[in-house]
Amino acid sequence: DAGITQSPRYKITETGRQVTLMCHQTWSHSYMFWYRQDLGHGLRLIYYSAAADITDKGEVSDGYVVSRSKTENFPLTLESATRSQTSVYFCASRSEGPVQETQYFGPGTRLLVL
Amino acid sequence: AQRVTQPEKLLSVFKGAPVELKCNYSYSGSPELFWYVQYSRQRLQLLLRHISRESIKGFTADLNKGETSFHLKKPFAQEEDSAMYYCALQTSNTGKLIFGQGTTLQVKP
Repeated sequence: DAGITQSPRYKITETGRQVTLMCHQTWSHSYMFWYRQDLGHGLRLIYYSAAADITDKGEVSDGYVVSRSKTENFPLTLESATRSQTSVYFCASRSEGPVQETQYFGPGTRLLVL
Repeated sequence: AQRVTQPEKLLSVFKGAPVELKCNYSYSGSPELFWYVQYSRQRLQLLLRHISRESIKGFTADLNKGETSFHLKKPFAQEEDSAMYYCALQTSNTGKLIFGQGTTLQVKP
C-alpha cells in the first residue's frame, strides 16, 4: 500500500543501546519530519528534512541523529537510548506545495526503553 | 514565542451535545492553523485547516486573530467523534508544525 510507513511498530530496548527507527514514503515528498508524542506535551518536532542530504534540528533533537540519503527514507537513530526516550514516534511527510499543504503521518512506533 | 495552547486535556460530553475544543496560539506573523485528529490506534490525520474555511464531519473552526484563537466546534457530538484532537500552527513554508498538548474528546452515549 502506498503512503508512509514506519518500522518497527513496537520496540523494546535497554538503556545505552543504539536503536534505529525507519520511515519510508512513496510519494517523493520533499519534506519529512520526526515527532515524538508524550502525554502532556502533544507532539514535539525532533528533526526535519527539506530534501535528500538536507536535515535540521527541531525542538527536542538531543540524543537523536537522522540521515536522508534518499528522498523516500528518513531513519531516526537513538545513539544511546535513555528511559526518557520512551515515547511514541511519528514520521510525517509533506509535498513542496503551498504553505497550507498538510503533513501526512505514519502509523507510529512505540518505543520502550528499559 | 511561538506556542499553541489547548487548555483542556479531557472534554467529556453526551451524544448530541455541542462541542467546543479550545485552541489559542501565540505568533507574531500571519498564522496557518490546522486541526488534526487521532482516533484510537490510528495515525494522525488532518481534520481541517483554517485557510479552507471548510466543514469536515460536521466540525468547523474559525480563526479569530483578535483573540488569537482557533476553536473547533461541532453542534451535535457523535460517539464516533471520540478521539484525541490536536491544534497545530505552521509558521513557515518548511511545513514545521507546532502542536498543542492535545485534547481527548470523549462522547458518551
